[in-house]
Amino acid sequence: EPEVTQTPSHQVTQMGQEVILRCVPISNHLYFYWYRQILGQKVEFLVSFYNNEISEKSEIFDDQFSVERPDGSNFTLKIRSTKLEDSAMYFCASSETRSTDTQYFGPGTRLTVL
Amino acid sequence: DQQVKQNSPSLSVQEGRISILNCDYTNSMFDYFLWYKKYPAEGPTFLISISSIKDKNEDGRFTVFLNKSAKHLSLHIVPSQPGDSAVYFCAASEAGGYNKLIFGAGTRLAVHP
Repeated sequence: EPEVTQTPSHQVTQMGQEVILRCVPISNHLYFYWYRQILGQKVEFLVSFYNNEISEKSEIFDDQFSVERPDGSNFTLKIRSTKLEDSAMYFCASSETRSTDTQYFGPGTRLTVL
Repeated sequence: DQQVKQNSPSLSVQEGRISILNCDYTNSMFDYFLWYKKYPAEGPTFLISISSIKDKNEDGRFTVFLNKSAKHLSLHIVPSQPGDSAVYFCAASEAGGYNKLIFGAGTRLAVHP
């Protein structure tokens, strides 16, 4: 069964450093998403991406964040200058269509900012 | 922002019995609702969904009920099995949007023998 994959599973970085989280969505899916879950809190939407551009972003997704689909398979989330409060699980998701379609999630990347 | 609420942080059920997980929402623009199951250190796994044009959807042991007038949905698991022990998240998306999911806080289900 096709699945969303994410690398790395765990990333440890120093405050102020740049990190890139990688995702490979399900191959025939057209819509891509990033969510995060800070320990003990809800899963929160960050950004949605379609047709090589951002469709929607949350207040969390400020200028320090960017997304890219550098080739036909990868979807990346970059945090330019990490802060302590960026420590969280980051989940990538994809869906085949936009309207009333299920999003399938990857296993997540645990980001720890020291 | 409490658009999707799961008021019970935990639920304990005996194996073989019914598990009922509840979810309330406040945004009347939500038109699609999903339940995800999550194990520790894993991503949410899709379980079942329901569109606002329906009031019930069933898939094997899982049934989701939607009461639009009460802005309430519930997930029924019958019969419950120990492997169902996980955190269950209710999520909703808005009509006309780009499918941004708004999640509840989750309910931890423990099914004991």
